Amino acid sequence: AQSVAQPEDQVNVAEGNPLTVKCTYSVSGNPYLFWYVQYPNRGLQFLLKYITGDNLVKGSYGFEAEFNKSQTSFHLKKPSALVSDSALYFCAVRVYGNNRLAFGKGNQVVVIP
Amino acid sequence: DGGITQSPKYLFRKEGQNVTLSCEQNLNHDAMYWYRQDPGQGLRLIYYSQIVNDFQKGDIAEGYSVSREKKESFPLTVTSAQKNPTAFYLCASSDPTGVSTEAFFGQGTRLTVV
Repeated sequence: AQSVAQPEDQVNVAEGNPLTVKCTYSVSGNPYLFWYVQYPNRGLQFLLKYITGDNLVKGSYGFEAEFNKSQTSFHLKKPSALVSDSALYFCAVRVYGNNRLAFGKGNQVVVIP
Repeated sequence: DGGITQSPKYLFRKEGQNVTLSCEQNLNHDAMYWYRQDPGQGLRLIYYSQIVNDFQKGDIAEGYSVSREKKESFPLTVTSAQKNPTAFYLCASSDPTGVSTEAFFGQGTRLTVV
């Protein structure tokens, strides 16, 4: 079965500094990878996805992520963090031909003014 | 507006009672999902459905039941057999064969056992 690991519980970053949130995955087959953001007591909002093609994908609000097949990683990045980026971030994976969607534990991002 | 609607937003249940959480979507998506969210544990899959009249257990299905009689609706029943039901429940849908493929989420239902 597919699974996702987000190794850090919390990521602290100063406003204006680069932000990285790490994600590694385990699947049998070709992965579809996703990043979501969640604000308190709300549902998840889609940020970006990797399906196929270019390893660097760009998404909403200036976020991007790089798919690395050899390292089975899909880290989320933003060149310059904003205080409003403070939220809970989830990585998710599913496999082509299988609709089961698995999420990681999530990373709390705190951007310090 | 297209989207997913979960109701109610807050729900209180007495111990020993069954309760049903509603999830409706008008996105014409085939796949629907129920997740449970607890602090520090991320999203854990309860059940998912790939098509009408079909559903599969996720990682924590014990104490829960679902039905998928219509494409638009995927209600979740939390039964009295679920020993620790207090949590935030999220419903999602997706169109896995379509261009987008990402899942869309409702705003969640917070269930509290009193």
